Amino acid sequence: DAKTTQPPSMDCAEGRAANLPCNHSTISGNEYVYWYRQIHSQGPQYIIHGLKNNETNEMASLIITEDRKSSTLILPHATLRDTAVYYCIVNSGGYQKVTFGTGTKLQVIP
Amino acid sequence: NAGVTQTPKFQVLKTGQSMTLQCAQDMNHEYMSWYRQDPGMGLRLIHYSVGAGITDQGEVPNGYNVSRSTTEDFPLRLLSAAPSQTSVYFCASSYRTGSTEAFFGQGTRLTVV
Repeated sequence: DAKTTQPPSMDCAEGRAANLPCNHSTISGNEYVYWYRQIHSQGPQYIIHGLKNNETNEMASLIITEDRKSSTLILPHATLRDTAVYYCIVNSGGYQKVTFGTGTKLQVIP
Repeated sequence: NAGVTQTPKFQVLKTGQSMTLQCAQDMNHEYMSWYRQDPGMGLRLIHYSVGAGITDQGEVPNGYNVSRSTTEDFPLRLLSAAPSQTSVYFCASSYRTGSTEAFFGQGTRLTVV
């Protein structure tokens, strides 16, 4: 599975959009981009995933560049409860050997 | 649905003791895995299973054993606990193939003294 690069930390004002970038320049054609978050050392929680097209659900939007070498997770209106570590993962499915990096620690500021 | 259930939530062991961390899922997922997370670090894969009777090693398997006798359960055994195994352990499950999400348990916080 391809490796990912994320900034170690970011701040976002409450109510503003949080844009979390991820670089995955070695992604292969059959690999999806997944995002998870981990709040207060709880178990990671799935947010969203995509292959080529942009995706949106009730939690977030995922924007994938045309060359698929990078992506951005967007939390449209960040709240204090969105303070967490966000992990970007690329995987061909099934999670046979997924390794989580250190992620981005998002701090939402009142 | 209970999802992925891990027991116990907290455990303190003495060096050399053995124990089993339990993980159960009720979603009929083929794939199950164990991760450990050390302070300030991401999750590292210990062992995984793609179905009953099939297990394989992940990134950091030493000191741990697993078995998968049923689809629902995937216990992790520490044969002789060491302080280096102090960590938070997470179990996860998912369908085996396809663009599928993984579901995680709430973790077992293990301290080896």
